[in-house]
Amino acid sequence: AQSVTQLGSHVSVSEGALVLLRCNYSSSVPPYLFWYVQYPNQGLQLLLKYTTGATLVKGINGFEAEFKKSETSFHLTKPSAHMSDAAEYFCAVTKAAGNKLTFGGGTRVLVKP
Amino acid sequence: DTGVSQDPRHKITKRGQNVTFRCDPISEHNRLYWYRQTLGQGPEFLTYFQNEAQLEKSRLLSDRFSAERPKGSFSTLEIQRTEQGDSAMYLCASRTGEPDTQYFGPGTRLTVL
Repeated sequence: AQSVTQLGSHVSVSEGALVLLRCNYSSSVPPYLFWYVQYPNQGLQLLLKYTTGATLVKGINGFEAEFKKSETSFHLTKPSAHMSDAAEYFCAVTKAAGNKLTFGGGTRVLVKP
Repeated sequence: DTGVSQDPRHKITKRGQNVTFRCDPISEHNRLYWYRQTLGQGPEFLTYFQNEAQLEKSRLLSDRFSAERPKGSFSTLEIQRTEQGDSAMYLCASRTGEPDTQYFGPGTRLTVL
């Protein structure tokens, strides 16, 4: 079975500061990894994904994540936080293309002016 | 490409009533997924379809829940004899073969009184 752990249910950052959201996964097979963002009362929007190839993945809105197999991690970063980044972020894993996603518990990001 | 749509966006019902939700996927997406998200948690997989065939059901999907996708286009999720524990956001997603990305709808928020 697969699982995802997101460390920290809430993260507070100052505008302009680094955003770092942690995600660790467990999977018996090479995983496909995703980060989604959810704004209040909305569905999930894909930020970025890793399937194969380059382990540093760039996504929308200046976010990027690095797949580290040895650490079973897929942490999300953004160099400079913007007020519009305030949202909830979910890391997800699947074992093959098209399969169901297994999500972490989410990290809510608060951006302080 | 108008995105995944869900109807209704909000549903309030009394315990014991039946409710039905509809999901319209992105046109020509052959896979359709249902997830449930309770407050403060990540989405949990319920079931998915490839065209009209229901390929997998979660153990979360008790016998009070039924999902259909009769013509391989829209899907319905019915909950019979609702319970307060069914209160959640029900998310629908669709996917085509490539790229491997699930696109989510805005969700239906169910409140059972």
